[in-house]
Amino acid sequence: AQSVAQPEDQVNVAEGNPLTVKCTYSVSGNPYLFWYVQYPNRGLQFLLKYITGDNLVKGSYGFEAEFNKSQTSFHLKKPSALVSDSALYFCAVKTSYDKVIFGPGTSLSVIP
Amino acid sequence: ETGVTQTPRHLVMGMTNKKSLKCEQHLGHNAMYWYKQSAKKPLELMFVYNFKEQTENNSVPSRFSPECPNSSHLFLHLHTLQPEDSALYLCASSPERGPSSGNTIYFGEGSWLTVV
Repeated sequence: AQSVAQPEDQVNVAEGNPLTVKCTYSVSGNPYLFWYVQYPNRGLQFLLKYITGDNLVKGSYGFEAEFNKSQTSFHLKKPSALVSDSALYFCAVKTSYDKVIFGPGTSLSVIP
Repeated sequence: ETGVTQTPRHLVMGMTNKKSLKCEQHLGHNAMYWYKQSAKKPLELMFVYNFKEQTENNSVPSRFSPECPNSSHLFLHLHTLQPEDSALYLCASSPERGPSSGNTIYFGEGSWLTVV
C-alpha cells in the first residue's frame, strides 16, 4: 500500500538549534514530494517541493529538504530554529497515479 | 493572502440546517479540492474538480454536496450533518490535475464547522 510516514508526532528543539522533521514514503514509481506548514487556526502553507534534479531543495522561511531515493526519505531541515517556526508540518507525496497522500503531521515546538 | 479565499471562516449549524461553504481562488487554476481535517486524523480528500468536472469523490456521504460552477469557485453544500462532521474544511486549488503534473496544491485558510 502507498503511504507516507512522519515517525515523530512531536519534535522539540531549542531556539537557534538545527531542526529536522522526518518523512519517509512508500510509493511506486518516481514520486513528487512536498512539505507544508500549518500554523494554529490557519490553512496549510506550501514550503517546498522536490520534482527532479538536485536532491537538496530550498524553500520558504529558510527551510530545506533532502530527497534520498535509496532511503525513500524527504526530511525537512532548518539550520537555526525560530520560535515562530512552531507549527504543524505535513509531508505529502504525489504518486504516479495522480494521488496526493499526506502524512499525519508532526508538531514542532521551538523552545525559547 | 493565499490566493484561495474561504467563507465563512466559522460556522455553527444544527443537524437539520442547510448551509454552504464557499471557496474562491484568484490564482487562475483549473483544479479545485475539498479536504476535511479532523483532530487526530489524517487529512482526508473529499472531492476533486478538474476543469469544472468532478474527477474524484472519495466515498463522501451524500449529506455533503459539492458544486463547481466555474474554475474559480467551489461550494460545499451541507445538509443534515452529524456532530462527527465537525471539522476544519479546507479548500485548495492547483493549476491542473494529471499523472505527470508536479503542480503544487495551494490551500485556503479553512472553514471551521461545528455541528450541534
